[in-house]
Amino acid sequence: QSVLTQPPSASGTPGQRVTISCSGGRSNIGSNTVNWYQQLPGTAPKLLIYSSNQRPSGVPDRFSGSKSGTSASLAISGLQSDDEADYYCATWDDSLSAWVFGGGTKLTVL
Amino acid sequence: QVQLVESGRGVVQPGRSLRLSCAASGFIFSSYGMHWVRQAPGKGLEWVAVTSYDGNNKYYADSVKGRFTISRDNSKDTLYLQMNSLGTEDTAVYYCAKGHSSSWYSHFDSWGQGTLVTVSS
Repeated sequence: QSVLTQPPSASGTPGQRVTISCSGGRSNIGSNTVNWYQQLPGTAPKLLIYSSNQRPSGVPDRFSGSKSGTSASLAISGLQSDDEADYYCATWDDSLSAWVFGGGTKLTVL
Repeated sequence: QVQLVESGRGVVQPGRSLRLSCAASGFIFSSYGMHWVRQAPGKGLEWVAVTSYDGNNKYYADSVKGRFTISRDNSKDTLYLQMNSLGTEDTAVYYCAKGHSSSWYSHFDSWGQGTLVTVSS
């Protein structure tokens, strides 16, 4: 059971906008920024969003992040087939003194 | 650019030990916190351990506390994970990841390709 809760799956058609949620508590999302990672099939994860809403250089602006209270969201607009991947949220947990991940969301582009 | 190369993969029997290494290049290794993250077959990501830039601060996931030790040799630009008392639940791909700053607190911004550890009799 993950400390952070994500829906196991999400889907959309090309061009559509999809959002993936990440729910936590006061000691993790409520106190710290959230980061999102994309893992394409058979590859290592890649940083997608950091500090809740910042994009590393090279990440398209179709990807955006937000945080409110103890929840965070990743939004992907203009969905493309290349976006089919697993997405994970992660943050530091002050109570556990540990980094925690969400269980991951498998995005399918229909 | 940042390059992280893990080594030490293999099959090990339950109860035995294994040490993983991660050779870093393309950045000033001694200035950044470093992490280990693992992924069991078909499962999600699980953070394992982090060390600050100087090795003075280390944190572990409860699942490995007391069995795994993270360390670094800044003179060799290398990160290590000593894994003792291995169990079948430790079977996973182990990734080395670079922190975004010197502390244990910053997110991981680059990842290695991973190395597979299989614990089986």
